[in-house]
Amino acid sequence: SQKIEQNSEALNIQEGKTATLTCNYTNYSPAYLQWYRQDPGRGPVFLLLIRENEKEKRKERLKVTFDTTLKQSLFHITASQPADSATYLCAVQAAGNKLTFGGGTRVLVKP
Amino acid sequence: DAGVIQSPRHEVTEMGQEVTLRCKPISGHDYLFWYRQTMMRGLELLIYFNNNVPIDDSGMPEDRFSAKMPNASFSTLKIQPSEPRDSAVYFCASSLAGDTEAFFGQGTRLTVV
Repeated sequence: SQKIEQNSEALNIQEGKTATLTCNYTNYSPAYLQWYRQDPGRGPVFLLLIRENEKEKRKERLKVTFDTTLKQSLFHITASQPADSATYLCAVQAAGNKLTFGGGTRVLVKP
Repeated sequence: DAGVIQSPRHEVTEMGQEVTLRCKPISGHDYLFWYRQTMMRGLELLIYFNNNVPIDDSGMPEDRFSAKMPNASFSTLKIQPSEPRDSAVYFCASSLAGDTEAFFGQGTRLTVV
């Protein structure tokens, strides 16, 4: 069956350190993979999109990698700040542009 | 543009009643997605439309759920009859094309008692 797995345990990290989140998928052949941020009581907000032929994408302090052989994407927040505390969701975009989300990983950045 | 607009923001209803959730996507967006979010199951895709046509409704849990998109600027998700297990936050999202970001509405928090 198809699965998109993210670490369900919260990630606690000290301010200034790099947070690394993992997204593994099974039985998908995604053309794109997206990462979103969700704050409590709000809808998800888009952060980055990476295509299957791209290995890495960056946006300010964020970096995403996409390994189609490992069927995995890594999401990095460098120089993390307390304002980065949120839940981060990966989403796989496969045939027909169907956008399916993983369970999300909560990140807590401590000052 | 004001973004994706959902109504109502909160809905409390009694079991057995019909519930209709509404969504206005961003003008010009070709894709519209309906999601349901719970603590247990996360963000589940229920159905999505391309140019007002339903493309995949395999996530719709039961026949009690139905969705329509009569025109490019409006979509509804209807639950009839509603049950307590339908309690969740329902999100609508739209995107310009298949390979672009999705914009989410604020969600409708549904409570069925």
